[in-house]
Amino acid sequence: EIVLTQSPGTLSLSPGERATLSCRASQSVSSSYLAWYQQKPGRAPRLLIYDASSRATGIPDRFSGSGSGADFTLTISRLEPEDFAVYYCQQYGSSPLTFGGGTKVEIK
Amino acid sequence: QVQLQESGPGLVKPAGTVSLTCAVSGGSISSTNWWNWVRQPPGKGLEWIGEIYHSGNTKYNPSLKSRVSMSVDKSKNQFSLNLISVTAADTAVYYCARGPSRYAYVWGNYRPVPYFENWGQGTPVTVSS
Repeated sequence: EIVLTQSPGTLSLSPGERATLSCRASQSVSSSYLAWYQQKPGRAPRLLIYDASSRATGIPDRFSGSGSGADFTLTISRLEPEDFAVYYCQQYGSSPLTFGGGTKVEIK
Repeated sequence: QVQLQESGPGLVKPAGTVSLTCAVSGGSISSTNWWNWVRQPPGKGLEWIGEIYHSGNTKYNPSLKSRVSMSVDKSKNQFSLNLISVTAADTAVYYCARGPSRYAYVWGNYRPVPYFENWGQGTPVTVSS
């Protein structure tokens, strides 16, 4: 099973700032099969990024994903008020599907 | 736009069975998508439970495989989850989710890619006597 470690656990930033979230896998993720989700309190997760760098339908271009192998990054170029949430990475290169523990982006 | 809606008992006794259903609207359960269950214990992260295709093919998380079963009801356009012998550790919000219909080589097979494009709103299940 691939273990995903997300860092930092919490990111305290102000609106307009850049957010950089890390997701590190315990082994290489096949074909960069990695997705990112956003989750707000009491809501279901929402798909942001798939295949490490492809934006899902309707996702603003301030969200971008990068990386390969075992190291992946989600970048939010300029934080909007609605971006403060918890972000999870998920790998689908190996079974079972696994998620990272999440990074909370909070208002500073 | 496909919509998913979970339903089922919110309280289950220890050693009992969690039985949940996910109703699909705005799309067909027989489309080229895999249908999934994901859960989230209170204040914690996400855990994939398993997936099912409209043919009845399934794949379960090995950590739960001995206790999980899933099924599809094409006549009702829905799929279901059964989790037996539950304990307090199974207390969680249970989500159903749809994978995309995009094909790629995954796990040695040419199949729809297993991430989660659409999610239900989630249903909380508490295991307690």
